Amino acid sequence: NAGVMQNPRHLVRRRGQEARLRCSPMKGHSHVYWYRQLPEEGLKFMVYLQKENIIDESGMPKERFSAEFPKEGPSILRIQQVVRGDSAAYFCASSATGKGDTEAFFGQGTRLTVV
Amino acid sequence: GENVEQHPSTLSVQEGDSAVIKCTYSDSASNYFPWYKQELGKRPQLIIDIRSNVGEKKDQRIAVTLNKTAKHFSLHITETQPEDSAVYFCAKGAGSYQLTFGKGTKLSVIP
Repeated sequence: NAGVMQNPRHLVRRRGQEARLRCSPMKGHSHVYWYRQLPEEGLKFMVYLQKENIIDESGMPKERFSAEFPKEGPSILRIQQVVRGDSAAYFCASSATGKGDTEAFFGQGTRLTVV
Repeated sequence: GENVEQHPSTLSVQEGDSAVIKCTYSDSASNYFPWYKQELGKRPQLIIDIRSNVGEKKDQRIAVTLNKTAKHFSLHITETQPEDSAVYFCAKGAGSYQLTFGKGTKLSVIP
């Protein structure tokens, strides 16, 4: 079991470009969560997805950010027209049941740098 | 879910001493309380968790206690070693909503 796989590990984008972050959950997991971690800060929930559905996007900024988890393929977190403030580590986690009382397994994260 | 408060934000201990990190919450629904360890540049990894039907759980040098009445839970690390240096996050969850994380505690173990 390869665990939760995120790519790329590091991503550099110029202001105004688009960033696409990918997350493949653990085998058998159909629930994916995205978190953002600013330097020296904790993990902030962004969005929770199940296959083809967004379950909770209460932590997502209203503009420029979107997420999807298609029937086939990885979950994608998309940031349009990136700004310096988007620079952060973005972690994806997956779980088997989607319930908050079961373990979530994290990927290695994607470190986004906006220059 | 509502927030979870974590203290302290930074903690330095001498090697061999104990470290204690505390988290408090306010809702009544939370019944799952995991602790994650994040080493520099790496992913958060679960180190221990506890459910609301028990008050204490121990795994070698790590223990977690839960006081559901007072709504707080703590991580205890005994005989600390330099490799324990990391950021530790508490979290809480329930079947009805996803995990909510504390802001983290940066633990430094001084050799």
